[in-house]
Amino acid sequence: DQQVKQNSPSLSVQEGRISILNCDYTNSMFDYFLWYKKYPAEGPTFLISISSIKDKNEDGRFTVFLNKSAKHLSLHIVPSQPGDSAVYFCAASATAYSGAGSYQLTFGKGTKLSVIP
Amino acid sequence: NAGVTQTPKFRVLKTGQSMTLLCAQDMNHEYMYWYRQDPGMGLRLIHYSVGEGTTAKGEVPDGYNVSRLKKQNFLLGLESAAPSQTSVYFCASSYAGGVGAFFGQGTRLTVV
Repeated sequence: DQQVKQNSPSLSVQEGRISILNCDYTNSMFDYFLWYKKYPAEGPTFLISISSIKDKNEDGRFTVFLNKSAKHLSLHIVPSQPGDSAVYFCAASATAYSGAGSYQLTFGKGTKLSVIP
Repeated sequence: NAGVTQTPKFRVLKTGQSMTLLCAQDMNHEYMYWYRQDPGMGLRLIHYSVGEGTTAKGEVPDGYNVSRLKKQNFLLGLESAAPSQTSVYFCASSYAGGVGAFFGQGTRLTVV
């Protein structure tokens, strides 16, 4: 049972346009959400996060939106650059929960973003 | 500033052989994790540790053992490797549970 879902395996966007990557989750206990970026042959690197008490968080060209009622979050990259081409992973955790599994980050399967020059 | 370092980067094992993957972090993080990444499967947690001397099972722990004898090191062991353990293994660490973790560069393991 996949608790974090990234339904688009790949996305292609023209340079300068907006990239929108989507993520859905099913576990109501999740209260902290993160996006990671991964280049080939490298480890994932943390990009941006959002707590469930917010609905938006910005960091430069990257903005994450959270819709708790829909259990949906999205990552917007504006403007997209060729260097943004990578696999993006959505992750979630239940930080307010102290039971088994509370320390875990649960990852989606990733979306491969290609930014075309 | 090394961050999270994994050793080795590549390894080929024969079925039934054993090996240990080493993870070292220099950020004084309490939490450490081992993940595996398989095509189309994302990152799945194998085992994790919330402090020196502690370990716990993650989502896919079978066939693996771990130890955290020192705060900075987290070892992942395969006692009898199987082809199903062919994967890319990532170690990560974080200052607290469930928050942004720093990842190592990965170990590509092939079991033939």
